[in-house]
Amino acid sequence: EPEVTQTPSHQVTQMGQEVILRCVPISNHLYFYWYRQILGQKVEFLVSFYNNEISEKSEIFDDQFSVERPDGSNFTLKIRSTKLEDSAMYFCASSGTTSDTGELFFGEGSRLTVL
Amino acid sequence: KNQVEQSPQSLIILEGKNCTLQCNYTVSPFSNLRWYKQDTGRGPVSLTIMTFSENTKSNGRYTATLDADTKQSSLHITASQLSDSASYICVVSLYNTDKLIFGTGTRLQVFP
Repeated sequence: EPEVTQTPSHQVTQMGQEVILRCVPISNHLYFYWYRQILGQKVEFLVSFYNNEISEKSEIFDDQFSVERPDGSNFTLKIRSTKLEDSAMYFCASSGTTSDTGELFFGEGSRLTVL
Repeated sequence: KNQVEQSPQSLIILEGKNCTLQCNYTVSPFSNLRWYKQDTGRGPVSLTIMTFSENTKSNGRYTATLDADTKQSSLHITASQLSDSASYICVVSLYNTDKLIFGTGTRLQVFP
């Protein structure tokens, strides 16, 4: 069964360092998303991406964050200068249609720990 | 403010028993409501998706109901198994946006 894969599964970094989280969405999907979940809290929407550009972003997704799909398969989330409060599980998701109607398939997540 | 509230926060049941989880939402404009299962440290997995016109939807031993008038949903799990131990999250989709609103989840533990 097709699945969304994410790497790394766990990354530890120092505050102020740049981090790139990678995702390989399901191959025929067109819509891509990043969500995050701080330990013990709700899953929160970060950003959606379609047709090689950001469709929508939340207030959390500030200038420290960026996304791109550099090679047509990988979908990456970059945090330019990490802060302690960026420590969370980051989930990538993809869907074949827009998320307000279609089913989202989530990856297993990348746990980011900022020290 | 768009919110999704779930109850109970946690639940312990014995294997083979049934249980019902509750979800109340104040989300507008509403598009659909989803239930996800999330194992500890894993990504959410979709169980059901319901639009406002659907009252009930089943997926194996999982049956979700939706009352769009009262803005309430429930997830009923029949004949629970040890593998049902997980968090069950109610998620509401806003109309014409990409943003999903997640609840805090109900942590279910099934004991033998």
